[in-house]
Amino acid sequence: QVTLKESGPVLVKPTETLTLTCTVSGFSLSNARMGVSWIRQPPGKALEWLAHIFSNDEKSYSTSLKSRLTISKDTSKSQVVLTMTNMDPVDTATYYCARSYRTLGILKFDPWGQGTLVTVSS
Amino acid sequence: DIQMTQSPSTLSASVGDRVTITCRASQSISSWLAWYQQKPGKAPKLLIYKASSLESGVPSRFSGSGSGTEFTLTISSLQPDDFATYYCQQYNSYSTFGPGTKVDIK
Repeated sequence: QVTLKESGPVLVKPTETLTLTCTVSGFSLSNARMGVSWIRQPPGKALEWLAHIFSNDEKSYSTSLKSRLTISKDTSKSQVVLTMTNMDPVDTATYYCARSYRTLGILKFDPWGQGTLVTVSS
Repeated sequence: DIQMTQSPSTLSASVGDRVTITCRASQSISSWLAWYQQKPGKAPKLLIYKASSLESGVPSRFSGSGSGTEFTLTISSLQPDDFATYYCQQYNSYSTFGPGTKVDIK
């Protein structure tokens, strides 16, 4: 069974750096077709893709947030880490990680973690 | 960046209705489009990938079509479990989600 679980702080202050960890099980981050994506959703709003990383360490970032994001993985720990610098109240959202399965041009985000709500407030 | 739009933003329907949601991309994305269903307080669930391929375990009343810049998600006979918000997602260039379509009870 494939599962993903997000962990990190529930509250961060403006200007601080957010570090989130996605711990996966049921698949290996070294599998050529596997990766992990981060997606966020502000309360009552739409989904926003942030970044993804694949087994070959290929990384992609949202154009609008690229300067603030860093994604990395620790295959031995089955973890993917996302850092976002200079947090602002508008970054308050539920942050999800999802397995990114890629083959023959297909990219599936499935399954997703349960999400973790991060509030940015002083 | 590729922008995604969806219409309508809200759709009121009854059980048994045929429902169609439209998603448009700001430039051609070939067939690199997926559809997700999200219920309140839950993570999204993949329904359709590559515009028209049904994800394993998803009921056959869901179908997707389109290519290029215009896509549709159709629910052939709306069931009580289908009241939710639906998002399209392009993955031709990085990834972008649409703004969502909420399907609620008429």
